[in-house]
Amino acid sequence: DAGVTQSPTHLIKTRGQHVTLRCSPISGHKSVSWYQQVLGQGPQFIFQYYEKEERGRGNFPDRFSARQFPNYSSELNVNALLLGDSALYLCASSSAGAGTEKLFFGSGTQLSVL
Amino acid sequence: RKEVEQDPGPFNVPEGATVAFNCTYSNSASQSFFWYRQDCRKEPKLLMSVYSSGNEDGRFTAQLNRASQYISLLIRDSKLSDSATYLCVVTSHTGGFKTIFGAGTRLFVKA
Repeated sequence: DAGVTQSPTHLIKTRGQHVTLRCSPISGHKSVSWYQQVLGQGPQFIFQYYEKEERGRGNFPDRFSARQFPNYSSELNVNALLLGDSALYLCASSSAGAGTEKLFFGSGTQLSVL
Repeated sequence: RKEVEQDPGPFNVPEGATVAFNCTYSNSASQSFFWYRQDCRKEPKLLMSVYSSGNEDGRFTAQLNRASQYISLLIRDSKLSDSATYLCVVTSHTGGFKTIFGAGTRLFVKA
């Protein structure tokens, strides 16, 4: 079975542009969460979605938005990119999104903002 | 104050050593607790869940003290392959669902 897949793997953008990152969860998983990880730090929680509804949001500005589709895949959108948005963006899926179960992470999208 | 704080590390230990990592969390309403492992340039992977009664998985033992809001991970008989970053993770439903990662503690096991 395929694991969590993220696309693209790498992305270079310039300040002010917007970006869309994509995530496909493990088959049968209904919850997807997004994280930002900068070098030397742990992943920072951005959003969690379950059954297409937002269940949680971290301390990120409104430039960050996300959605989950009927097939449970998800997109993370970031508008008006800043240099500080350069990071590894990780997507994780879980079966129920209750917070008690294991998270399965994708390999991430490395975003560089120039 | 950060919501989840870990020993800053890095920890440099010889093979066979016992090493302990500590983690504290600020939200007393936190509900679930985990240790994840992250190898260099790889995604995090679940090492073990942490329960109030304490739990063990081979050489790894995790403890949770809800009263002190403290989580620990003990690794016995360290192997070279244990070299990685260990992430303390806490979930809560206060004001919406959140999964909070600590900054991680880097472990280097030397031959």
